[in-house]
Amino acid sequence: ELKVEQNPLFLSMQEGKNYTIYCNYSTTSDRLYWYRQDPGKSLESLFVLLSNGAVKQEGRLMASLDTKARLSTLHITAAVHDLSATYFCAVATGTASKLTFGTGTRLQVTL
Amino acid sequence: DADVTQTPRNRITKTGKRIMLECSQTKGHDRMYWYRQDPGLGLRLIYYSFDVKDINKGEISDGYSVSRQAQAKFSLSLESAIPNQTALYFCATSDLSQGANEQFFGPGTRLTVL
Repeated sequence: ELKVEQNPLFLSMQEGKNYTIYCNYSTTSDRLYWYRQDPGKSLESLFVLLSNGAVKQEGRLMASLDTKARLSTLHITAAVHDLSATYFCAVATGTASKLTFGTGTRLQVTL
Repeated sequence: DADVTQTPRNRITKTGKRIMLECSQTKGHDRMYWYRQDPGLGLRLIYYSFDVKDINKGEISDGYSVSRQAQAKFSLSLESAIPNQTALYFCATSDLSQGANEQFFGPGTRLTVL
């Protein structure tokens, strides 16, 4: 059974600081997705990582994938309050491309 | 207009009642999914469908059934609702022809079973 673990589960950080969210998974996969969810809202796709070594960047967020280590990271640079949300990673397995989600990291950016 | 819509957005019902949640999409995607979200557990897959004739169970299908009435419509039913089915339910779609198979989510339905 695929396990997807995110850490930390909760992150409180000051504006302007940098931090990294980690996503570890337990079985082979070369497709990993990052989503953002605001309170009471739906999930918004942030990044799609499709191969070992893939790196994607959008604004203050950068995601990477190391399939050999079964690890993806979401790096936040110079955080701003608007980045406060819950971030999920999801790993796709099999030809059906079923997604298994991590439990999410709730990010709170404070002044 | 939203590409993936869900109705109702909120529903309160009683134990034992039959409930249907509906999902429609205008994205033209062939694949559709139903997930539930519980606090601290992330999203878990209930059922998924690759086309009208293809329905598959997900991780937590017990107590649920689905119907794919058309490529654009995928309904989730709770035949006899119970309180531990109280959750936020999301429909999602994806396109097999796109290599990334990225899933796009609807706005969600908040279901409360009393």
